[in-house]
Amino acid sequence: AQSVTQLDSHVSVSEGTPVLLRCNYSSSYSPSLFWYVQHPNKGLQLLLKYTSAATLVKGINGFEAEFKKSETSFHLTKPSAHMSDAAEYFCVVSFRGSQGNLIFGKGTKLSVKP
Amino acid sequence: KAGVTQTPRYLIKTRGQQVTLSCSPISGHRSVSWYQQTPGQGLQFLFEYFSETQRNKGNFPGRFSGRQFSNSRSEMNVSTLELGDSALYLCASSLAAQGPSTDTQYFGPGTRLTVL
Repeated sequence: AQSVTQLDSHVSVSEGTPVLLRCNYSSSYSPSLFWYVQHPNKGLQLLLKYTSAATLVKGINGFEAEFKKSETSFHLTKPSAHMSDAAEYFCVVSFRGSQGNLIFGKGTKLSVKP
Repeated sequence: KAGVTQTPRYLIKTRGQQVTLSCSPISGHRSVSWYQQTPGQGLQFLFEYFSETQRNKGNFPGRFSGRQFSNSRSEMNVSTLELGDSALYLCASSLAAQGPSTDTQYFGPGTRLTVL
């Protein structure tokens, strides 16, 4: 069965320090992978997506993620956190043959301390 | 270009009632998907419409239904509301004829439904 696991429900960092949000997936197929961000009382905004091109994907606002097939991981990173990065982040997986619907991780809430 | 819009933004209903939520996709987008977000279950896929046809469906009871119009606008209906239907309902649109698995979905701000 296909699934996605976000390993941390809550991550707290200080402003200016690196961010690492972890995501692992399970799939028998080649996945498409996405990271979305949700600010309070807002919809989801796409940060970046992987669809079997380059394994290192650059997104908006300085975020990037690396697809590692051997580790079935797609961790999200940012070199330096900003206060405005405080939000909830969702790792999302879709699989060709899954009837097209997306499978969402449970989310990681990122807090940024001044 | 205007984003995905959802109306209403907030809704309060009582058990047993029915509700209709509306979603207007980004101009030119023909695929519209609906998701339910709750603290306990997270984000779950409800269904997807493309060219006025339901193309994919998640694991929700038949009380949840939807439709899509010729202008790609979509509505979602929930009948016989239960307390557990309280959630943020998100709509997303995309271009792809191939479905959400390959194309980027753009989300609306959601409709917050509270069932009392």
